[in-house]
Amino acid sequence: QSALTQPASVSGSPGQSITISCTGTSSDVGGYNYVSWYQQHPGKAPKLMIYDVSNRPSGVSNRFSGSKSGNTASLTISGLQAEDEADYYCSSYTSSSTLLFGGGTKLTVL
Amino acid sequence: QVQLVESGGGVVQPGGSLRLSCAASGFTFSSYGMHWVRQAPGKGLEWVAFIRYDGSNKYYADSVKGRFTISRDNSKNTLYLQMNSLRAEDTAVYYCAKDPYRGPDAFDIWGQGTMVTVSS
Repeated sequence: QSALTQPASVSGSPGQSITISCTGTSSDVGGYNYVSWYQQHPGKAPKLMIYDVSNRPSGVSNRFSGSKSGNTASLTISGLQAEDEADYYCSSYTSSSTLLFGGGTKLTVL
Repeated sequence: QVQLVESGGGVVQPGGSLRLSCAASGFTFSSYGMHWVRQAPGKGLEWVAFIRYDGSNKYYADSVKGRFTISRDNSKNTLYLQMNSLRAEDTAVYYCAKDPYRGPDAFDIWGQGTMVTVSS
């Protein structure tokens, strides 16, 4: 099964908002509300930022939000900060009872 | 605090075997599904395998099906990944991760990872 499709890179200035898309099919993103997002800084383990499309774990800033429309999920980061610079990955449950990641998006804060 | 600690990584020759372990603490291990996720050097994340809270169901990525086996010992709060017939493309950091529910759904707690290198 092919990875979910994410843009390779996005960038924004401090204080701005950015959105990262994650496109799949009706057999994964479009078929289930089990999309999650992860932040990974270099050399560190990933961190859960959003689960079940739009839920934020305790301790994650409310500047991070998630949504979904059809086969595409999105992660929006508002009020961009320097520490948000990292790699971001989406993940979705699939009709094969497996999980599938996106290829990852490198966020650069200008 | 909630913690996952992987061990067992190392260098192995192609065709060889390795068993990874993941010791869990700070939560009721027997109530949650658990995953293995890997990341090849400089590459993205790849989901490897999942096991239900009671070990009743196991799911694998096509890339490891038939070669890797996930298991758990709830009496020891430990997750395992038995890796056989290893290939160069299995070289990666292997993370164990907890599912927020019985899963498979997502990964809410991650270990620090253990490196596996397959090379002659």
